[in-house]
Amino acid sequence: DTAVSQTPKYLVTQMGNDKSIKCEQNLGHDTMYWYKQDSKKFLKIMFSYNNKELIINETVPNRFSPKSPDKAHLNLHINSLELGDSAVYFCASSQPGQGIAAQHFGDGTRLSIL
Amino acid sequence: TQLLEQSPQFLSIQEGENLTVYCNSSSVFSSLQWYRQEPGEGPVLLVTVVTGGEVKKLKRLTFQFGDARKDSSLHITAAQPGDTGLYLCAGENQAGTALIFGKGTTLSVSS
Repeated sequence: DTAVSQTPKYLVTQMGNDKSIKCEQNLGHDTMYWYKQDSKKFLKIMFSYNNKELIINETVPNRFSPKSPDKAHLNLHINSLELGDSAVYFCASSQPGQGIAAQHFGDGTRLSIL
Repeated sequence: TQLLEQSPQFLSIQEGENLTVYCNSSSVFSSLQWYRQEPGEGPVLLVTVVTGGEVKKLKRLTFQFGDARKDSSLHITAAQPGDTGLYLCAGENQAGTALIFGKGTTLSVSS
């Protein structure tokens, strides 16, 4: 039973298009995240949501809009895709207690912009 | 700005060898985490170290948190091909709201 699942796994599209990535977690966690991993494997936080509320928006262009319909889902919509958006996007969840708890990651969505 | 520097960036060794991966910062972290990521998958948590000077063991993996809580190391004894992967260290940002990751160490163990 997959804990954090994101779809699609691969996304190939043209520059200028709009696309969405979906994420669902069945762990009952309150906090969900989106990370971007670039071609050099550097993983960087983009957004954090706690109980459907935005906590972090880390200098991400406003072409990226996260949406959390409920605490088990955090989707990422990207408008007007650019070449530099090509990366692997990871969704994660955690249940903070004292400090940052273990992050449970999905398997990533590899986005390729043509 | 909090940064975590990992070294080496790449490591290619033979089965049975020992190795150490380092994670250093000029900032103090309340805790550090180590993750392993395999191709096509997301990172998976290996360990969290919380107390300065702490040593944790996970089978052939030994993790140490520096006394000043600014650095950590991961030592693997008698590496096996199954240890191959990307090793990432991560620490909590100052606001306590997200993780900052190092740039990772790609380990390749050949038989």
